[in-house]
Amino acid sequence: SAVISQKPSRDICQRGTSLTIQCQVDSQVTMMFWYRQQPGQSLTLIATANQGSEATYESGFVIDKFPISRPNLTFSTLTVSNMSPEDSSIYLCSVEAAMNTEAFFGQGTRLTVV
Amino acid sequence: AQRVTQPEKLLSVFKGAPVELKCNYSYSGSPELFWYVQYSRQRLQLLLRHISRESIKGFTADLNKGETSFHLKKPFAQEEDSAMYYCALKDSNYQLIWGAGTKLIIKP
Repeated sequence: SAVISQKPSRDICQRGTSLTIQCQVDSQVTMMFWYRQQPGQSLTLIATANQGSEATYESGFVIDKFPISRPNLTFSTLTVSNMSPEDSSIYLCSVEAAMNTEAFFGQGTRLTVV
Repeated sequence: AQRVTQPEKLLSVFKGAPVELKCNYSYSGSPELFWYVQYSRQRLQLLLRHISRESIKGFTADLNKGETSFHLKKPFAQEEDSAMYYCALKDSNYQLIWGAGTKLIIKP
């Protein structure tokens, strides 16, 4: 199993500012993902965080808006840039120890943009 | 197109009654399917996966390729089963495709 520490758990931010969310895993993992979960909706994959290289973004998400870092196999950050109220959501970090194994999730970051 | 459909946003049953949460999928290859659960104030976690063919907390799910379904079942619901349930499919890129989720409420 993998234990994920995701910070902050929640934040209220002013529009136009940026927030960086951290995801720390207690063991080395192959796959790290960032999701967005808007109220009452399912999980939408933002990107796959790749160790030592640029993240792979899904359709509708771009690096300028959601820059991601993954300096090693246990840590990643997601930045939500130039925030607007539409960015208010829960952001989730997810990891898999290897391909085709169980996914583990962080507790989530509840972001409110005012 | 790859898709996972959970037709019920909300399902409410009495304690002791049978439960069935529906999941249908659309996928061109050989699917790997999962049920994840999120209890109140807890993180999302795996409940079961079809390749394990096991029963977790009394829940089972059988992959029916003919009907492209992976419904989650439990013969006798318990109050602690109240949670949000998500069906998910892993695609050929090892990414999870998620259903919209079903909120299960077990009434005492």
